[in-house]
Amino acid sequence: AQSVTQLGSHVSVSEGALVLLRCNYSSSVPPYLFWYVQYPNQGLQLLLKYTSAATLVKGINGFEAEFKKSETSFHLTKPSAHMSDAAEYFCAVSDPVGKLIFGQGTELSVKP
Amino acid sequence: DAGVTQSPTHLIKTRGQQVTLRCSPKSGHDTVSWYQQALGQGPQFIFQYYEEEERQRGNFPDRFSGHQFPNYSSELNVNALLLGDSALYLCASSLVRRGASDTQYFGPGTRLTVL
Repeated sequence: AQSVTQLGSHVSVSEGALVLLRCNYSSSVPPYLFWYVQYPNQGLQLLLKYTSAATLVKGINGFEAEFKKSETSFHLTKPSAHMSDAAEYFCAVSDPVGKLIFGQGTELSVKP
Repeated sequence: DAGVTQSPTHLIKTRGQQVTLRCSPKSGHDTVSWYQQALGQGPQFIFQYYEEEERQRGNFPDRFSGHQFPNYSSELNVNALLLGDSALYLCASSLVRRGASDTQYFGPGTRLTVL
């Protein structure tokens, strides 16, 4: 069975600082991994996904994530935080039929 | 190109009542999945519909049922509402032929409050 663990329910960074959101997964088969962002009172928007091609995946809004099989990790990074990045971020793994299993989420705050 | 739409936006019901939520998938998509997101939690998979059949179901009681129509739109029905059913209900659409790696596009959700 697949599962996802997001380390840190709240992360706070200063504007311009590095953003690092952590995600570890468990999967008995090669995983498909996703990062979604959710702004207040909105649905989820895909940031990026890993589908077994390149291990370094680039997404929208300057975000990227690196798939590390040895560490079972798929951490999300952005070199320089912007105020508009403040939101809830979810890591998810897909089962073979396309069911998404989400982590608990990480709330990112950006201080001016 | 219209994205995933859901109606209504907000809904208030009392315990024991029944509710129907609606979803129209992104143009060209044939698969609809429903998720429940309780406050402060990640979304939890309820079920997925393809070709008007329930393809997979999560760990939800039979009070939760669904339907998919020939135009691929979908409904989520919840009977005998409990206070714990209060949540944001999200609909997502995708293309089955792209498999498990396909991006699921989410609608804005329906906020259900049970009093």
